[in-house]
Amino acid sequence: QLQLQESGPGLVKPSETLSLTCTVSGDSIISSSHYWGWVRQPPGKGLEWIGSIYYRGSTYYSPSLKSRVTISVDTSKSQFSLKLRSVTAADTAVYYCARQAVAGLNWFDPWGQGTLVTVSS
Amino acid sequence: QSALTQPPSASGSPGQSVTISCTGTSSDVGGYNFVSWYQQHPGKAPKLMIFEVTKRPSGVPDRFSGSKSGNTASLTVSGLQAEDEADYYCSSYAGSNILLFGGGTKVTVL
Repeated sequence: QLQLQESGPGLVKPSETLSLTCTVSGDSIISSSHYWGWVRQPPGKGLEWIGSIYYRGSTYYSPSLKSRVTISVDTSKSQFSLKLRSVTAADTAVYYCARQAVAGLNWFDPWGQGTLVTVSS
Repeated sequence: QSALTQPPSASGSPGQSVTISCTGTSSDVGGYNFVSWYQQHPGKAPKLMIFEVTKRPSGVPDRFSGSKSGNTASLTVSGLQAEDEADYYCSSYAGSNILLFGGGTKVTVL
C-alpha cells in the first residue's frame, strides 16, 4: 500500500527558505504513470497546487509560485523535495505531498498526512 | 489563471441529495475532462472521491457522482449521511501543465 510522509522544519523565519521532503513507501517512485506533487492549505483556507515532478526530473509549477519554488527528486531514496524561497507569513500552511496522475495532472491519491509550516520570526 | 468557483456552503438532511458546483472557463473545466473532487474532514488530508469528471476510485460509495456541463462541473452526494459532512474541493487541468483548485464547499448534514 503506497504511503507518503512529509518531513521538515515546522518553523521558518521570514525571508528564509522552506524545505520539505516527502518519503514514498510501499511502491516505487519510478512510475511512468504518475507525477509527485505538492499542495498547500493555509489555515482555514482552500487547497493550492504548488507543483509536481516526474521521476526523471521534469517539473511543473504553479505560475503564482514559480519564481520561488524548486521541486527535486531522489529516486535512490524514494524521496522528492520542495524548496520555497523568500517566505513570508502568507506561506504559513499545511503542506501536503501526494501522488498525481500524469494525464492532465489529473488526480492526487494518496496524500501524505500533511505538515504545518509556520513562517514567523 | 484564477481559482475555480465553488459555493461556500451547501446542506441537506440525512437521506437527501446535495449538489455542489464548480465553475471555471473554457480553458479549464470546459476544455478538458480532467476534473477531480476531494473530500476533506477537519484536520485530515483530502481524499479523492471523483476523477476524470465521472469516475469513482475503488472504495468510494456510489452515492457520490460527478458530471459536467459546459464550464461547470458538479458533485452530487445522494442519500446524505452524517459522515458526508466535510469540505469538498474540485480541481481541473487548465492546460500548459497547470492545475487549478476550487475554493471549497462546506457541506452540512442538517
